[in-house]
Amino acid sequence: QSVLTQPPSVSGAPGQRVTISCTGSSSNIGAGYDVHWYQQLPGTAPKLLIYGNSNRPSGVPDRFSGSKSGTSASLAITGLQAEDEADYYCQSYDSSLSWVFGGGTKLTVL
Amino acid sequence: QVQLQESGPGLVKPSQTLSLTCTVSGGSISSGSYYWSWIRQPAGKGLEWIGRIYTSGSTNYNPSLKSRVTISVDTSKNQFSLKLSSVTAADTAVYYCARYYDILSPFDPWGQGTLVTVSS
Repeated sequence: QSVLTQPPSVSGAPGQRVTISCTGSSSNIGAGYDVHWYQQLPGTAPKLLIYGNSNRPSGVPDRFSGSKSGTSASLAITGLQAEDEADYYCQSYDSSLSWVFGGGTKLTVL
Repeated sequence: QVQLQESGPGLVKPSQTLSLTCTVSGGSISSGSYYWSWIRQPAGKGLEWIGRIYTSGSTNYNPSLKSRVTISVDTSKNQFSLKLSSVTAADTAVYYCARYYDILSPFDPWGQGTLVTVSS
């Protein structure tokens, strides 16, 4: 059972907008620690997608955006493309002196 | 740019010790104020942080694995290593090494990962 809670799956048609939620607690996201998002394509290592709640590394399309409020965070993907089909993970730091991840969300592009 | 590469046996017997090494290229493991971590992912499951080390040798481990984990660093070889003792089938996973700057920063970059299977 992951410390951060994500929906197991989301789906959307090409061109649509989807969001993925990440719910934590007062010892991690709610404590003010930043949330980061990773994209994992099949058979590959996770790749940093969003850092510091809402910042995109160089090369990440602006179709991807992140936000944080209270004990939760969200990843939004607009203009869905087939290449966006992947697993997405949120990550933060927990006051128990541990780095924590969400259980992952599988995005299916219909 | 910095790149990380995991290496080690792909098969370990139950009750034995899993040993992996992460080699850092494109920069010195001692430069900057970076921390170096191990993260694992069982097949079809999520990511689990195992532990981290600073180049001074200071370590922190996941409380759930702390009794079995040792992470060390060899700055002369630009490498850091993971040892996980008394392994069981539940330790079968892809093991990744990764870098981060501080508790507010993300893991980036990551190694490509190496599959370790625990089986007799």
